[in-house]
Amino acid sequence: SQKIEQNSEALNIQEGKTATLTCNYTNYSPAYLQWYRQDPGRGPVFLLLIRENEKEKRKERLKVTFDTTLKQSLFHITASQPADSATYLCALDRKAAGNKLTFGGGTRVLVKP
Amino acid sequence: DTAVSQTPKYLVTQMGNDKSIKCEQNLGHDTMYWYKQDSKKFLKIMFSYNNKELIINETVPNRFSPKSPDKAHLNLHINSLELGDSAVYFCASSLDRGSVSPGELFFGEGSRLTVL
Repeated sequence: SQKIEQNSEALNIQEGKTATLTCNYTNYSPAYLQWYRQDPGRGPVFLLLIRENEKEKRKERLKVTFDTTLKQSLFHITASQPADSATYLCALDRKAAGNKLTFGGGTRVLVKP
Repeated sequence: DTAVSQTPKYLVTQMGNDKSIKCEQNLGHDTMYWYKQDSKKFLKIMFSYNNKELIINETVPNRFSPKSPDKAHLNLHINSLELGDSAVYFCASSLDRGSVSPGELFFGEGSRLTVL
């Protein structure tokens, strides 16, 4: 069966350090992968998109990698700040299923000052 | 100006009742969605409309009926509410420009439904 797995345990990290989150998937052939941020009581907000033929994407302090061989994406927050505390969701398209995004369960990040 | 707005934000109701959630987007997007987020925070797609046409209909009970009067609006009506329907329902939209893959999703703030 198709699965998208993110670490369900919260990631506690000290301010200034790099937070690294993983998104693993099985039985998918995604054309691209997206990362979203969700704050409590709010809707998800788009952060980054990376295509299957791209290895890495950066946006300010964020970096995403995409390894279609390992079926994994890594999401890095460098020089983390308390304001980065949130839940981060990865999402993949399903080319064979009408082009719709399917989300992982998210990983909560808590940056301590 | 709110890009994707949905109402109501909170909805508490009894089992067996019928309720509706409304969604509007002012982004000029072609596609709108309904997602359900359960207590474990998994976001699952329910429906998708492109220019008022239903294009995605996941395995959702018939009690859930979406309606899109125009491409800026997508409403969700739920009949005979059950306890298991309690969740946060998110509306979203995307600008597809006729491409084979959807772009980024813009989400509303969610409507928290509690069925007692």
